[in-house]
Amino acid sequence: AQSVTQLDSQVPVFEEAPVELRCNYSSSVSVYLFWYVQYPNQGLQLLLKYLSGSTLVKGINGFEAEFNKSQTSFHLRKPSVHISDTAEYFCAVAPYTGNQFYFGTGTSLTVIP
Amino acid sequence: DSGVTQTPKHLITATGQRVTLRCSPRSGDLSVYWYQQSLDQGLQFLIQYYNGEERAKGNILERFSAQQFPDLHSELNLSSLELGDSALYFCASSVDRSSSNSPLHFGNGTRLTVT
Repeated sequence: AQSVTQLDSQVPVFEEAPVELRCNYSSSVSVYLFWYVQYPNQGLQLLLKYLSGSTLVKGINGFEAEFNKSQTSFHLRKPSVHISDTAEYFCAVAPYTGNQFYFGTGTSLTVIP
Repeated sequence: DSGVTQTPKHLITATGQRVTLRCSPRSGDLSVYWYQQSLDQGLQFLIQYYNGEERAKGNILERFSAQQFPDLHSELNLSSLELGDSALYFCASSVDRSSSNSPLHFGNGTRLTVT
């Protein structure tokens, strides 16, 4: 079985400060990893994905994430946040086969001017 | 724009009623997923269809059902509605060949309010 834990339900951060949103997962099989962002009144949009290769993945809007297999983590980072980054962020995993996606409960990022 | 279209955007109905939510996947995507998002339970997987056939079931209640039609659009039917069914319902689609390395593309959701 798979599960995803996003340890922080809310993260406030000042504008232009760095941010890290944490994601840990549990799985008995190999998985692909994803981060999605949900802006108010919108659906989820793909930020970035890790399929294989380099463990540091760069996504849209200046976000990046690092896959750590030994710690089963896939933390999302941005060196300098903007007001427009205020949104809900979801981590998700999907086993190599089976076409199933498992989502964390989300982290609400609030950027303070 | 993800290319996934959901209608209606908002739906207000009374307890005991039945509603139908509609989803048109991205062009070329054969797989459709339905998710329920509520404040207390996060994003819950309901059901998945691939090319017209049910592929997987999640936490879907017996009062809920879905289908995918030959033109690949999908409908989620919710019946005997209860107050607790109030939530955002998302549809997502993917190319979905034989593995899950194709990410999901989400629609903007249907907000259901049961009064």
